[in-house]
Amino acid sequence: KQEVTQIPAALSVPEGENLVLNCSFTDSAIYNLQWFRQDPGKGLTSLLLIQSSQREQTSGRLNASLDKSSGRSTLYIAASQPGDSATYLCAVRPDSNYQLIWGAGTKLIIKP
Amino acid sequence: DTAVSQTPKYLVTQMGNDKSIKCEQNLGHDTMYWYKQDSKKFLKIMFSYNNKELIINETVPNRFSPKSPDKAHLNLHINSLELGDSAVYFCASSPGLAGSHQETQYFGPGTRLLVL
Repeated sequence: KQEVTQIPAALSVPEGENLVLNCSFTDSAIYNLQWFRQDPGKGLTSLLLIQSSQREQTSGRLNASLDKSSGRSTLYIAASQPGDSATYLCAVRPDSNYQLIWGAGTKLIIKP
Repeated sequence: DTAVSQTPKYLVTQMGNDKSIKCEQNLGHDTMYWYKQDSKKFLKIMFSYNNKELIINETVPNRFSPKSPDKAHLNLHINSLELGDSAVYFCASSPGLAGSHQETQYFGPGTRLLVL
C-alpha cells in the first residue's frame, strides 16, 4: 500500500534562505508526483508535476526533483519570501489507479 | 474571475440534517472531483466525474451523493449528517482524466463543515 510522508511537519526559516522540503513514498511504482501549495482558508494550488520518466521540474524559484528508486522527492525553494509561507503538500499517483495519495504536508513559515 | 468556486464556504449544522455543497468551474474542464480533508490534513478523494459521468467512487457512505447537472457543476449532497462528517471538503477540476497528461487539478477554496 502506497504511503506518502512529509518531514518535517513544520519549518520556519528567515527570509532569503534557500530551503528544501522532503517527500518520501513507499512504493516506487508511480505514474507521477505533484507538489501543491495550500494557503489558509483557500484551496490548493498545483505547483509542479513530475512524470515518472522525469527527474526534475522547474518553475520560477521552485525546483522539484524525483528519485523513484529511492522513493523520494524534494521541493527546493530559492531565495524564500514571506509570501511563500503556506502548507506544501506532495501527492503521488500510483500506476495502477486514478487516486492521488497525499502526504500530510509541511507547514512553512518564512520570517521577514 | 474565480476558476473553481464552492458554496457555502462555511457550514455549521446539527447531526441528522441533510445539506448540499455546490461546486462550479468556469475553466471548461471535463473532469471534476470531490475531496475530504480530515483533521490530520490528509486529502482523500471521494468522487470524480468526467463529462457528467461518474468515474471514481471511493468507499464513502451512501449518505454522500454527488450530482453533476452539467460538466461545469458537481454538487455534493449529504444525508443524515454525522459528527464524523466534520471536515473540509474540496472540489477540484482538471482538463482531462486523472492519470492523463492533462490532469493538473485546480482546487476550490474548500467548504468547512462542522456537524454539532
